[in-house]
Amino acid sequence: AQSVTQLGSHVSVSEGALVLLRCNYSSSVPPYLFWYVQYPNQGLQLLLKYTTGATLVKGINGFEAEFKKSETSFHLTKPSAHMSDAAEYFCAVTSSGGYQKVTFGTGTKLQVIP
Amino acid sequence: EPEVTQTPSHQVTQMGQEVILRCVPISNHLYFYWYRQILGQKVEFLVSFYNNEISEKSEIFDDQFSVERPDGSNFTLKIRSTKLEDSAMYFCASSLILTGETDTQYFGPGTRLTVL
Repeated sequence: AQSVTQLGSHVSVSEGALVLLRCNYSSSVPPYLFWYVQYPNQGLQLLLKYTTGATLVKGINGFEAEFKKSETSFHLTKPSAHMSDAAEYFCAVTSSGGYQKVTFGTGTKLQVIP
Repeated sequence: EPEVTQTPSHQVTQMGQEVILRCVPISNHLYFYWYRQILGQKVEFLVSFYNNEISEKSEIFDDQFSVERPDGSNFTLKIRSTKLEDSAMYFCASSLILTGETDTQYFGPGTRLTVL
């Protein structure tokens, strides 16, 4: 079984400040990890993903995440928050090898304060 | 860029009625999925579908639910007799899975189902 834990259901940052959204996973097999973003009243948009290879992955809108196997973490960061980053962010996990369902975390709502 | 589309964007129905939620996956994708998100909760897997068969379903996906790919482009989720607790956002997703690989699931914008 796989699971994802997102620490902090709500995170507030000032515009221009560092964004750090935490995600820890549990998986008995090598995981594939994703961050999705959901803007109000919209669907899920893929921000970035880790499958294999380089552990630091870059995504859209200046976000990046680092896969740390020893810490079972996949935290999402952005050096400088923008007002348009206000949304809900979901960390998700699946496993390699053909089709696999995606297991989502509970989400973190990011508020950006002007 | 190809995208998954879903119709309608919002469906309101009376308890006990049947609803069909429609999805058009990305055209060359082979695996199709339904997820749901009850307001304020996390996104939950319902069912996956490949080669005209259900590959996996969750405990949520009981006999009230069914999926179908009626033609070469649409993928539908039917709820036979809706309950109040079926009120949620329903997301369709699709992926192109190469042999031995896992590919990204691309999600549609969702259908918000409200059961009164």
